[in-house]
Amino acid sequence: GQQVMQIPQYQHVQEGEDFTTYCNSSTTLSNIQWYKQRPGGHPVFLIQLVKSGEVKKQKRLTFQFGEAKKNSSLHITATQTTDVGTYFCAGRDYGQNFVFGPGTRLSVLP
Amino acid sequence: DAGVTQSPTHLIKTRGQHVTLRCSPISGHKSVSWYQQVLGQGPQFIFQYYEKEERGRGNFPDRFSARQFPNYSSELNVNALLLGDSALYLCASSFELKDYEQYFGPGTRLTVT
Repeated sequence: GQQVMQIPQYQHVQEGEDFTTYCNSSTTLSNIQWYKQRPGGHPVFLIQLVKSGEVKKQKRLTFQFGEAKKNSSLHITATQTTDVGTYFCAGRDYGQNFVFGPGTRLSVLP
Repeated sequence: DAGVTQSPTHLIKTRGQHVTLRCSPISGHKSVSWYQQVLGQGPQFIFQYYEKEERGRGNFPDRFSARQFPNYSSELNVNALLLGDSALYLCASSFELKDYEQYFGPGTRLTVT
């Protein structure tokens, strides 16, 4: 079945440094979503990417969907303490339901 | 508008017992999905319901069942509980069946002893 992997598993950064998490699927995806989950909270939708090579920006966050639609990345510029949490990608295979990756846990040191 | 609501917040059950978890989607949302999230892992898809019909099922045993009511609220039932069923159970609603952002509820923390 479809598998979604994320690297790194953990990332510790100093406030102001950049952060990137990568998501890779074993199958070609129809679309991919990104979520953020704060400690003790629930996943919150960030963005959805649909087109091959698509790039979307939300303030300091930049999301990319690979040309082959099998990988994606989330880049945060100049991290802040409010960015702390676990970032999940969720990929949907054609005709299937969303499969979540294991997440990248980000900690930001002030 | 209220977000997705789930009840109860926490639940402690004994092995072999049965549990029912409830979810109310955002008003106007017709699709409800259930996920199981074990500590330190990503949410794992259990079911999706749309217009009261099951439209997707994850790799979970038949002990897991669900249904959606005419008002689009949903119940997740788990029979013959095992220790491994201990997890956070998340409900997510979306406006339509596919390719819409999912709004998650706060979850029900189930502990099986």
